[in-house]
Amino acid sequence: EPEVTQTPSHQVTQMGQEVILRCVPISNHLYFYWYRQILGQKVEFLVSFYNNEISEKSEIFDDQFSVERPDGSNFTLKIRSTKLEDSAMYFCASSPGAGIYPLEKLFFGSGTQLSVL
Amino acid sequence: EDQVTQSPEALRLQEGESSSLNCSYTVSGLRGLFWYRQDPGKGPEFLFTLYSAGEEKEKERLKATLTKKESFLHITAPKPEDSATYLCAVQAEGEKGYNKLIFGAGTRLAVHP
Repeated sequence: EPEVTQTPSHQVTQMGQEVILRCVPISNHLYFYWYRQILGQKVEFLVSFYNNEISEKSEIFDDQFSVERPDGSNFTLKIRSTKLEDSAMYFCASSPGAGIYPLEKLFFGSGTQLSVL
Repeated sequence: EDQVTQSPEALRLQEGESSSLNCSYTVSGLRGLFWYRQDPGKGPEFLFTLYSAGEEKEKERLKATLTKKESFLHITAPKPEDSATYLCAVQAEGEKGYNKLIFGAGTRLAVHP
């Protein structure tokens, strides 16, 4: 069964450093997302991406964050200058986006655990 | 403000002991309610989507139902492998449309043999 692949599974970085989290969504999916989950808290929406542009972003997704689909298969999340509070599990997700229900079936990757020291 | 509340926070069952998990929501115009299963250290795994009050969906020992204010996930004769955190989410409106999910905090289910 096709799956969303995320690398690395764990990332440790120093505060102020840039990190890039990588994702390979399911091929033929049209919508791409990043969510995050701080330990013990709810899964939170960060950004959605469709047709090579951001279609929605949350208040969390400020100027320090950016997303990119550099080629036909990868989808990346960049944090320019990491803060301690960016420590979380970051999930990439994709959906087929069929019809009027783009979120009907959202497939998540296994996540990248980001630790900012 | 769109909100999702799940109860109980944690539930311990004996194998075969049926029960229900609750998800109450406040959203301006429900576009979809979703149930996911999350195992430790993993991403959420899609279970069901419900769109309108009265709708029901089933998968093995799980059955999801929806009313105008809440959804239930019924677990019939659970097995230890059903142990996981069950997440409820609603499709919420952003600035450019309904492109995001708002998640509840989840119910941690433990099924013991």
